[in-house]
Amino acid sequence: DGGITQSPKYLFRKEGQNVTLSCEQNLNHDAMYWYRQDPGQGLRLIYYSQIVNDFQKGDIAEGYSVSREKKESFPLTVTSAQKNPTAFYLCASSSKRPYNEQFFGPGTRLTVL
Amino acid sequence: DQQVKQNSPSLSVQEGRISILNCDYTNSMFDYFLWYKKYPAEGPTFLISISSIKDKNEDGRFTVFLNKSAKHLSLHIVPSQPGDSAVYFCAASAGSNFGNEKLTFGTGTRLTIIP
Repeated sequence: DGGITQSPKYLFRKEGQNVTLSCEQNLNHDAMYWYRQDPGQGLRLIYYSQIVNDFQKGDIAEGYSVSREKKESFPLTVTSAQKNPTAFYLCASSSKRPYNEQFFGPGTRLTVL
Repeated sequence: DQQVKQNSPSLSVQEGRISILNCDYTNSMFDYFLWYKKYPAEGPTFLISISSIKDKNEDGRFTVFLNKSAKHLSLHIVPSQPGDSAVYFCAASAGSNFGNEKLTFGTGTRLTIIP
């Protein structure tokens, strides 16, 4: 079955620790994206990658880092520099076709204590 | 600067009636618009989309209308069913004929269908 997997579903970390969220897709999609959702807010773009070994900052990249070493994988690291890391994180991917939708993973709820 | 706005945070509709969700945008470069449905603690799922060359797109119970002059789009669900209760996000992108363009999302509208 093709899809996007994010692990873990729930993640707890102490303040000051870096944490890496996993995102894997087997849809053969070129582009991958990371969003953050906070209560009462829409999805805000953190980082995106349109091709392997290349990525761009989104609207709220500060305190986050990514890598894209493989087409299937786009891990997101939430660093200690991110002031409000507790949120629901969503990964998405899309193929390089015009007028195409993004497909989302199930999300990871990160809670920093 | 909120480029995509959903001004109604919530909406309640009787089962069987029409649900109308609204979305406004400010960026005239947007040329592709999408609606996503989201349940709590899950990822959004794609519902329906429309490109700027059209003013209407229909898929089963879901119809999206686009008014470019007013920079407004709406999602109509008819008839509304209990399973439609969810948060609905409007999203937009620019330069979509190239593919893989980033999406800008609205803040969402929570739709509750009353049995």
